[in-house]
Amino acid sequence: NAGVTQTPKFRVLKTGQSMTLLCAQDMNHEYMYWYRQDPGMGLRLIHYSVGEGTTAKGEVPDGYNVSRLKKQNFLLGLESAAPSQTSVYFCASTPHRGGVNEKLFFGSGTQLSVL
Amino acid sequence: AQKVTQAQTEISVVEKEDVTLDCVYETRDTTYYLFWYKQPPSGELVFLIRRNSFDEQNEISGRYSWNFQKSTSSFNFTITASQVVDSAVYFCALYPSNDYKLSFGAGTTVTVRA
Repeated sequence: NAGVTQTPKFRVLKTGQSMTLLCAQDMNHEYMYWYRQDPGMGLRLIHYSVGEGTTAKGEVPDGYNVSRLKKQNFLLGLESAAPSQTSVYFCASTPHRGGVNEKLFFGSGTQLSVL
Repeated sequence: AQKVTQAQTEISVVEKEDVTLDCVYETRDTTYYLFWYKQPPSGELVFLIRRNSFDEQNEISGRYSWNFQKSTSSFNFTITASQVVDSAVYFCALYPSNDYKLSFGAGTTVTVRA
């Protein structure tokens, strides 16, 4: 049981390049999230999904797109990377609402640098 | 809209001192969940505790204790007899029942010196 797996763990991009971050969970969770972490700002929600085929904007969605074609995968795309997107990205998942042990399970993070 | 405020940016203590981390939250929901997560230097996020809004009972787990006061919208976290391994960034978070999003505070960096 791997939990939440993020790939890649590190990436360096040049301004204007595109890339996709993959998040995979094997716990059959309904809800999945993408956060970014910047110094002094905590974790800010980019996009989230409450089920297969659904996505919604979070707090800082600009410059990102997401897709949830399969329940276990949540992809985060950067179409044209900018230096302001240099950050650590965390994926998280949680079971359907109301579970006794409802909490977020986090991946180990992706360090992205945009030059 | 919900908001979580961790006013303390950094706290530095000497080993064995107690340290209290403040967390104040705002939400219009009457039912919500509060969390504390720890992020050690290795970077992963470690779940510490979840508290329901209808359960104001304080909790103790080893050297960790939590004081939830609904009247002041606070959910403070105390580390007793701190150790070097407690050095980390600690995040408080809020999850309203009528929303799908977990909102985090900015985090408090705790440094415990030997």
